[in-house]
Amino acid sequence: GAGVSQSPSNKVTEKGKDVELRCDPISGHTALYWYRQSLGQGLEFLIYFQGNSAPDKSGLPSDRFSAERTGGSVSTLTIQRTQQEDSAVYLCASSLLEGAGEAFFGQGTRLTVV
Amino acid sequence: DAKTTQPPSMDCAEGRAANLPCNHSTISGNEYVYWYRQIHSQGPQYIIHGLKNNETNEMASLIITEDRKSSTLILPHATLRDTAVYYCIVRVAGNTGKLIFGQGTTLQVKP
Repeated sequence: GAGVSQSPSNKVTEKGKDVELRCDPISGHTALYWYRQSLGQGLEFLIYFQGNSAPDKSGLPSDRFSAERTGGSVSTLTIQRTQQEDSAVYLCASSLLEGAGEAFFGQGTRLTVV
Repeated sequence: DAKTTQPPSMDCAEGRAANLPCNHSTISGNEYVYWYRQIHSQGPQYIIHGLKNNETNEMASLIITEDRKSSTLILPHATLRDTAVYYCIVRVAGNTGKLIFGQGTTLQVKP
């Protein structure tokens, strides 16, 4: 596609349920990032993929959070046993490995845990 | 990656130039300056980047001081749609590690 696509755009879930968030990066972009942004806060890095491997997972807040990427393309971020503090906008970005490496962001998934 | 310092907020009159400063006094020789912005309820948008020469594209101009310790993003004719949070980031070009976003500058363009 023309840009980074994320789905769903909005998700409301009950506390304790698991959720999966999806990111389709720009075709050919080998680097992929997940960030989250709580209401009124800055962007918090979660994880970075280079191809299908994740050399930097330092931002994942707990073991309830995991992410995978298959075929060097689509990525899913999974949150298990969701808590209210997980409510945030989850943003995905992709970039080329070569060149300036500017990242292009999707519109995000707004997660609300009730 | 080097740390950046930006003013928390700025105002600009519509149609005038908006000049957004950024200090990056610890920048390394191989680190680029990147600018992004985030309009309310949207994902961040790449604006421009540079190493040591001034850069211009269809969105903005980037002026980097000779010692590279600071830079200024210039929006030549600000519109109401330019109201956003502007982030200055430094990192090695092609370094596909994480982008570290600070608090940025909230630019309010006023009619």
